Amino acid sequence: DAKTTQPPSMDCAEGRAANLPCNHSTISGNEYVYWYRQIHSQGPQYIIHGLKNNETNEMASLIITEDRKSSTLILPHATLRDTAVYYCIVRVGGDSSYKLIFGSGTRLLVRP
Amino acid sequence: GAVVSQHPSWVICKSGTSVKIECRSLDFQATTMFWYRQFPKQSLMLMATSNEGSKATYEQGVEKDKFLINHASLTLSTLTVTSAHPEDSSFYICSARGRLFYNEQFFGPGTRLTVL
Repeated sequence: DAKTTQPPSMDCAEGRAANLPCNHSTISGNEYVYWYRQIHSQGPQYIIHGLKNNETNEMASLIITEDRKSSTLILPHATLRDTAVYYCIVRVGGDSSYKLIFGSGTRLLVRP
Repeated sequence: GAVVSQHPSWVICKSGTSVKIECRSLDFQATTMFWYRQFPKQSLMLMATSNEGSKATYEQGVEKDKFLINHASLTLSTLTVTSAHPEDSSFYICSARGRLFYNEQFFGPGTRLTVL
């Protein structure tokens, strides 16, 4: 079973920041948090991952709370092409043997 | 990021026939490959994990005799749906990761299977 809880849907205005929350209260100390997104009828696309520290890349920022029980994915300037289902995933297993178990995700709609 | 391809992108078959779906890692050696299934408006469900040269490990509830997985090389895994039935119609997605990029798992574009 997935170890994450996300709101089923959110929306934001184009050009504004999209903040997608995720709860993972049962996460263990060595388990990573991953974010993927899936645009309709395509395979999931990797966005970002982190363990304890906040992370940023060209796509997004990941903010992880100090107790690691929740995190937020931030898309700083959402565009219409960011409309997708966003999955927050807790990686289960070691470096060479982990599995990604998907939860139900958040459907993000970016409005013009 | 690395590229994972799938073939075919869609397939329609008659009930009772077998269908093979290929998954290839195009620019890296995939030591581990995964097969997921996704029904309409649902999330991805992990079916099985395969390591190159080893038998696949299936998730609970997935019939290994119905969904045959072969991972014969570091760049190719195949999923064969045997004796397909309409309830097997779904979106099948493979995923792969290699030794060098073990923190990143790359997904293929998916294969839509329709069984008539």
